Parts: sequence; C-alpha cells; structure tokens
Amino acid sequence: NAGVTQTPKFRVLKTGQSMTLLCAQDMNHEYMYWYRQDPGMGLRLIHYSVGEGTTAKGEVPDGYNVSRLKKQNFLLGLESAAPSQTSVYFCASSYLGPNEQYFGPGTRLTVT
Amino acid sequence: SQQGEEDPQALSIQEGENATMNCSYKTSINNLQWYRQNSGRGLVHLILIRSNEREKHSGRLRVTLDTSKKSSSLLITASRAADTASYFCATFQGAQKLVFGQGTRLTINP
Repeated sequence: NAGVTQTPKFRVLKTGQSMTLLCAQDMNHEYMYWYRQDPGMGLRLIHYSVGEGTTAKGEVPDGYNVSRLKKQNFLLGLESAAPSQTSVYFCASSYLGPNEQYFGPGTRLTVT
Repeated sequence: SQQGEEDPQALSIQEGENATMNCSYKTSINNLQWYRQNSGRGLVHLILIRSNEREKHSGRLRVTLDTSKKSSSLLITASRAADTASYFCATFQGAQKLVFGQGTRLTINP
C-alpha cells in the first residue's frame, strides 16, 4: 500500500494564479482532511470530508475549495493564490472518524 | 483557535534519558491523540487515549490524561536519537475533526 500520497511535492505560484493539490489514499478510508502548517501555528484544518461526495469547512477555509468526487481522492483548489497561502499543506485520511489519521508527505507551496 | 497547547515548546536531552511533554486543552474532549513529525515529513499517529482512560502504554511511550485538569502528558523512556522530532497533541471534541497544538520540538543529543 502506498498509503496517502500528495501531488505535487513542491510548487511556486505567482499571486493570482490557480492550482489544485491532489491527495490520494489506497486504504479505503472514509474521512479525508486538508491541513496547512505554518511556523509556530501547528496544523490548522482547511476542509474535510466524511465520505465520497461530501465536504465541510474547517478552521481556515477562506481562499480554498475542495472536491471529493471519488472516495480515494480529495482535491484542494486555490482559485487565486495569495502570499498568505504560502505554507506546507498536508492531506490526511482516517477509516472512521478523526482518529488515527494517516498523513501524506506534504506539499510545500510558495506564493510570490 | 488552537485547543491543545504543548509545553515545553522545545526540549533537548541526552540519549538514554526520559523525555516528558505536556499538553493542556480548554474544553471537554472525546479523546486525545499524540502524533510525531520528523523534519520534512508528515505526521505519524503514536497513541490515542480516551476520555475515560487515565493512562496508556505503547512500547516506550506512556500517556496520561487528567480530565479534571484538562491536561495530558507524553513520556518517552530511554530516548534514542531516532526520537528527535516534533510531537503534537490533538484533541477530538466532536464535529468529526481534530484540533492540533503547536507542538514540542524534541532533540536527543548523542
């Protein structure tokens, strides 16, 4: 099993550009999450999904959109990137409920 | 807002010593979890303790939970260089999500 994978690993965007981060899991998990990690801030939840076709807002959802069209994939979109979105983004999944989450390796995004 | 607050923010000890990290939280929880993050990597789940449990062990890890004080501690015994990482507590309060603290950076010196 590959576990949780994230694409891409690194990306540099200019302000105003858009992009999509892809998260994939092969563990048949129902729950998936997108977090951002900033120095001194810990992890903050952006959006999450409790099953295919469902999404919900987390703590810091503004400027991001998500989709869960397939159970194994959870996409995070930035419609118009801003320097404040410079961060490391982590995807995670769990079988049932937010316990024992499995994390991907992260995507380091820089917005200039 | 961050629910869990770890203390200390950074800890440096000699290999073989025990390391203790603390986590405080503000509201009632269903469970509390500890995760480890090696530099440049994703988080790895270490242990989960439910609100009706007071202590739990897993290998060299010992977690305690005091719901009356809204605090938890993680003890790593006989530390090794490979234990160098950041450690995060996360609380499950409901609403299908975890809230993570800011983490403790642990350095094990050879």
